[in-house]
Amino acid sequence: DVKVTQSSRYLVKRTGEKVFLECVQDMDHENMFWYRQDPGLGLRLIYFSYDVKMKEKGDIPEGYSVSREKKERFSLILESASTNQTSMYLCASRGRSGANYNEQFFGPGTRLTVL
Amino acid sequence: AQSVTQLDSHVSVSEGTPVLLRCNYSSSYSPSLFWYVQHPNKGLQLLLKYTSAATLVKGINGFEAEFKKSETSFHLTKPSAHMSDAAEYFCVVSVPTSGFGNEKLTFGTGTRLTIIP
Repeated sequence: DVKVTQSSRYLVKRTGEKVFLECVQDMDHENMFWYRQDPGLGLRLIYFSYDVKMKEKGDIPEGYSVSREKKERFSLILESASTNQTSMYLCASRGRSGANYNEQFFGPGTRLTVL
Repeated sequence: AQSVTQLDSHVSVSEGTPVLLRCNYSSSYSPSLFWYVQHPNKGLQLLLKYTSAATLVKGINGFEAEFKKSETSFHLTKPSAHMSDAAEYFCVVSVPTSGFGNEKLTFGTGTRLTIIP
């Protein structure tokens, strides 16, 4: 089974803090993604990476950055957290071949509260 | 640009009655379409996917969806609702990105399904 894990289920930070959200997948997938989920808005793509050290902006990248130094790990960084970044953050991974090549597998999510 | 519209933000059905969750898509070519389900406090799980093979797609837990190009629809159905079906459902379209084999997903805003005992 594909496993995507996220470093925290719940996180509380203060405005202005630097926040790191970590995601690890164990299936050697090339593609990894970060989304945020807000009520009534569905999931919106923040950033994605299709290979190590490669990254592309998604639909709402402002206020975020990412890092992918190793294939299995994809980090989301909030340089200076703000209250409007309070949300559920979901990580996903996807392989480029095999029977499930176009399916994204999701982690359990991190609920971030910025005070 | 590729997008999906979920026509109902909330659907309530009685246990044992049919379920219909509606989704329309917009795409400039033949898309890959998905339905994902999210149970309370759980991660997202793939229900089913359409990738230009059979237009009627069967998924897990008795769900199925039919791709109708003429109507640009991909509605999700189930003949008989069960209490365990209560969840949020997302219709999703796949969008190619740079590089071979790379894709990203665009999600609908979700439909919350409530099952009445």
